[in-house]
Amino acid sequence: DAGVIQSPRHEVTEMGQEVTLRCKPISGHNSLFWYRQTMMRGLELLIYFNNNVPIDDSGMPEDRFSAKMPNASFSTLKIQPSEPRDSAVYFCASKKTGMNTEAFFGQGTRLTVV
Amino acid sequence: DAKTTQPPSMDCAEGRAANLPCNHSTISGNEYVYWYRQIHSQGPQYIIHGLKNNETNEMASLIITEDRKSSTLILPHATLRDTAVYYCIVRVQNNAGNMLTFGGGTRLMVKP
Repeated sequence: DAGVIQSPRHEVTEMGQEVTLRCKPISGHNSLFWYRQTMMRGLELLIYFNNNVPIDDSGMPEDRFSAKMPNASFSTLKIQPSEPRDSAVYFCASKKTGMNTEAFFGQGTRLTVV
Repeated sequence: DAKTTQPPSMDCAEGRAANLPCNHSTISGNEYVYWYRQIHSQGPQYIIHGLKNNETNEMASLIITEDRKSSTLILPHATLRDTAVYYCIVRVQNNAGNMLTFGGGTRLMVKP
């Protein structure tokens, strides 16, 4: 398996633009997580899905952030409009729901908003 | 999820055992201890987890105290490639697709 695939790996955009980050989870995994990592705040959980349904989005910073999972093999995290303080590395992770299962992380998308 | 406390940083000589401590004094009976690590510029990587008993796999050993209030991750023969931030997490294991909440972790520096 190729693992969790995120795209793009790097994104540089201007303030005010819409940004869409993409994630393909590992086939057969039915839980998906979006994290954000900065030097100041470390790794923060933004939202997680179970069987394509958002279970907890309490970590989403504000209404500018939205996440969707239209099917079991694809998820997006959208920021509209983007701001410089959104600059961070965004990670997607997936796991099987069930006992004794670990999460697998993608390589992340490094977002820079200028 | 219960809160964990880890030292912010540790050094270890290459080839020696690295022992990374974690305190989780408020852990509940059904909460597992998980360890992940993050090598620079990569996503976090699962290492090991346990509930009550000590666990060992090809990467590391996990020693959990009898009262479960603390644990130690052991890398038996640390290499330079083990330099990373190590996260200790406690969470409930159930079928609801539970979350992983990361703390500050321990930055392990393996030195030649």
